[in-house]
Amino acid sequence: DGGITQSPKYLFRKEGQNVTLSCEQNLNHDAMYWYRQDPGQGLRLIYYSQIVNDFQKGDIAEGYSVSREKKESFPLTVTSAQKNPTAFYLCASSIKRANRNRNQPQHFGDGTRLSIL
Amino acid sequence: AQSVTQLGSHVSVSEGALVLLRCNYSSSVPPYLFWYVQYPNQGLQLLLKYTSAATLVKGINGFEAEFKKSETSFHLTKPSAHMRDAAEYFCAVYEAAGNKLTFGGGTRVLVKP
Repeated sequence: DGGITQSPKYLFRKEGQNVTLSCEQNLNHDAMYWYRQDPGQGLRLIYYSQIVNDFQKGDIAEGYSVSREKKESFPLTVTSAQKNPTAFYLCASSIKRANRNRNQPQHFGDGTRLSIL
Repeated sequence: AQSVTQLGSHVSVSEGALVLLRCNYSSSVPPYLFWYVQYPNQGLQLLLKYTSAATLVKGINGFEAEFKKSETSFHLTKPSAHMRDAAEYFCAVYEAAGNKLTFGGGTRVLVKP
């Protein structure tokens, strides 16, 4: 079955530590996205990528970094500069929309919950 | 930039009662709109999407939404709530600049027996 796999499901970070969240998709989608979800705040876009080796900052990119070396993979690193990393992180992917297919949805993984030790 | 407003962060309904979740959008061009559902500790699942082919859109699990351009709304309804409908619901609008979605703040639905 095609889909998006996020790992691990739960992750703990120590003070001053960088951690990397994995996101892999086998949907052959060009575009991938990372969101942060906090209670009562909906989803906020961290980074997104429309094509391999290219990515753009979203609304809350500070303290995060990404890479897109392969079409299937879009890992997110939460750096020590992110002072409040405790949240639920969601990865999504979609086809690269053109005018005729703007109604194509994003597909989501099951998330990674990050907590501070 | 486009925006989405969901009125009411929490909604409580009795089992068998109507579910109505409100979504208003701002868009300078014809919008592409989506409703997603999220169950605890899971990702988002697509409920339905507005494709401009019809103003009343039917989705999964008995949900439907009506697009009203004059009111810039895309409210989600279900005639009869079931316990399994307890979840958080998100409305989203597509932004061509950046090929991305902008989400509303979400509405958490509680279903009382």
